[in-house]
Amino acid sequence: ETGVTQTPRHLVMGMTNKKSLKCEQHLGHNAMYWYKQSAKKPLELMFVYNFKEQTENNSVPSRFSPECPNSSHLFLHLHTLQPEDSALYLCASSQDPGAAEETQYFGPGTRLLVL
Amino acid sequence: GENVEQHPSTLSVQEGDSAVIKCTYSDSASNYFPWYKQELGKGPQLIIDIRSNVGEKKDQRIAVTLNKTAKHFSLHITETQPEDSAVYFCAAGNTGRRALTFGSGTRLQVQP
Repeated sequence: ETGVTQTPRHLVMGMTNKKSLKCEQHLGHNAMYWYKQSAKKPLELMFVYNFKEQTENNSVPSRFSPECPNSSHLFLHLHTLQPEDSALYLCASSQDPGAAEETQYFGPGTRLLVL
Repeated sequence: GENVEQHPSTLSVQEGDSAVIKCTYSDSASNYFPWYKQELGKGPQLIIDIRSNVGEKKDQRIAVTLNKTAKHFSLHITETQPEDSAVYFCAAGNTGRRALTFGSGTRLQVQP
């Protein structure tokens, strides 16, 4: 285990549903990330949070809404998604303020299927 | 921005053989190059990393080499075992960017 947990592990939702993904890190880190992993594509960075503040939004559609209530928890709220949003959503954390040379620790991911 | 290309996309080797995965990057300012291994149903796990002040790093059967001039780095796995079968990702980062840029991954299959 990496110290980063994600729930749920699998999620099936319709295009009109609203759901949330949860990530929790037990490592005392200050930076957290959301990535999207689609088949045969590189990991796509979605959002970066440092000390609960969003520092990067990688042109993500507004149907994805992140929330970081504290340095240990990160949520991704989903609404009116499209089938092409089906993917593995990975959460990661790193020690210090999101600097790219910091080692990132990944959770197991949430496998999302949008029907 | 940074662009990382990774080859090959799939690699099949016999148990005991060596495996080499190569990545190139575009941003000469990149100075941190981690490699991640992702097994089925799990998130990526860091297996080794290298910083731009060294040319090679080794950890048991795994080694990484870096050529800053050519802007490429490679992962070498010797004496491969079936449990090495997974998807491997390279990435590049530097202090000026907030997050890593990942390659597209290499699916390694070690045949027993």
